[in-house]
Amino acid sequence: GQNIDQPTEMTATEGAIVQINCTYQTSGFNGLFWYQQHAGEAPTFLSYNVLDGLEEKGRFSSFLSRSKGYSYLLLKELQMKDSASYLCAVRGARPGAGSYQLTFGKGTKLSVIP
Amino acid sequence: DAEITQSPRHKITETGRQVTLACHQTWNHNNMFWYRQDLGHGLRLIHYSYGVQDTNKGEVSDGYSVSRSNTEDLPLTLESAASSQTSVYFCASRHRVDTGELFFGEGSRLTVL
Repeated sequence: GQNIDQPTEMTATEGAIVQINCTYQTSGFNGLFWYQQHAGEAPTFLSYNVLDGLEEKGRFSSFLSRSKGYSYLLLKELQMKDSASYLCAVRGARPGAGSYQLTFGKGTKLSVIP
Repeated sequence: DAEITQSPRHKITETGRQVTLACHQTWNHNNMFWYRQDLGHGLRLIHYSYGVQDTNKGEVSDGYSVSRSNTEDLPLTLESAASSQTSVYFCASRHRVDTGELFFGEGSRLTVL
């Protein structure tokens, strides 16, 4: 099975940098995803890591260490519109029924303050 | 534009009633999923399908069923609604098993009284 941990809430200041951590324990691993979810809306895809290292996409970057079971999402130059929940999700490893769906963490609610 | 839509967006029902939530996608995706989202639990997988006539149970499937008669639709049925099934339900789809990005519908908020 999968166990995914991330902080429940974080607060950061507009213009600053914030790092949201995610740790996971899993019986198999084939990728880690970050989704953004604004209140009352659907989750939307932010990033995907399957190999160790940093993936950068504009103001957002995501890092993965498979040996440590650890990922983080880095948000730079925070804007008020970045206030949302950030969901970490792990994909299972083996093909076949039940193994390629995503398991989600409980999400981190980020509040950006002026 | 291709999209994924859910209906109804909001529903109130009574304990014991049968409820069906519709999900329709126009991307021709093979894989479709139903999740529920509750405070303190995050998104939990209810059922999923990898293609027509294929359905599989997820983590929290008790009390729910799905059917996949065509590529576009995966309706979720609550056979006898219970108050514990009050939740926000999200349908999602993706093109292939080995590509990860899920595309989510807008969600259906269900209240069981």
